[in-house]
Amino acid sequence: GDSVTQMEGPVTLSEEAFLTINCTYTATGYPSLFWYVQYPGEGLQLLLKATKADDKGSNKGFEATYRKETTSFHLEKGSVQVSDSAVYFCALMTGRGSTLGRLYFGRGTQLTVWP
Amino acid sequence: DAGITQSPRHKVTETGTPVTLRCHQTENHRYMYWYRQDPGHGLRLIHYSYGVKDTDKGEVSDGYSVSRSKTEDFLLTLESATSSQTSVYFCAISAGSGYTFGSGTRLTVV
Repeated sequence: GDSVTQMEGPVTLSEEAFLTINCTYTATGYPSLFWYVQYPGEGLQLLLKATKADDKGSNKGFEATYRKETTSFHLEKGSVQVSDSAVYFCALMTGRGSTLGRLYFGRGTQLTVWP
Repeated sequence: DAGITQSPRHKVTETGTPVTLRCHQTENHRYMYWYRQDPGHGLRLIHYSYGVKDTDKGEVSDGYSVSRSKTEDFLLTLESATSSQTSVYFCAISAGSGYTFGSGTRLTVV
């Protein structure tokens, strides 16, 4: 079935460090891919998305490229800030039959950034 | 998010009691979802709805039921709460290009 595997955490970085959180997926067809962010005590917020192969999603300095050949959608940021501390979820959306529009989530990666 | 609200935000209940969580949307979206979030598991789908009175099971539906009598409300009921249902519950609506999530309900079953 459709699934997402993302890098286990926690990830701890110093401010201004480079961030990569790996995400790979298994899906039939052509899913859309997402990164969601969850700040402490809050719900999930959409960070970025890509709907087809080679698309790059970007927002708030974060980027991820939809790589069909490697079934990956890794999240990157060149210089993290303390305010980026949160849990990050990779997700895919399928578009077939009864599962139309369903999101499948990875387990989440806790990021902590120290000043 | 202004378009989706969950109630209550926090609840403590005793084992064996029924509990109902409410999700209310003002966006008139057709699709609504209930997820639970647990450490090490991410978010897992409990039930979803694709219209009034149209619902279906997700991957962790045992012990839960749902109802949707109006477009704007999607109710999740724990028929007889157990300690394994202690979790944070999130409702979401789908706009087709991604979900909008509520702020969550933290449920503790003692």
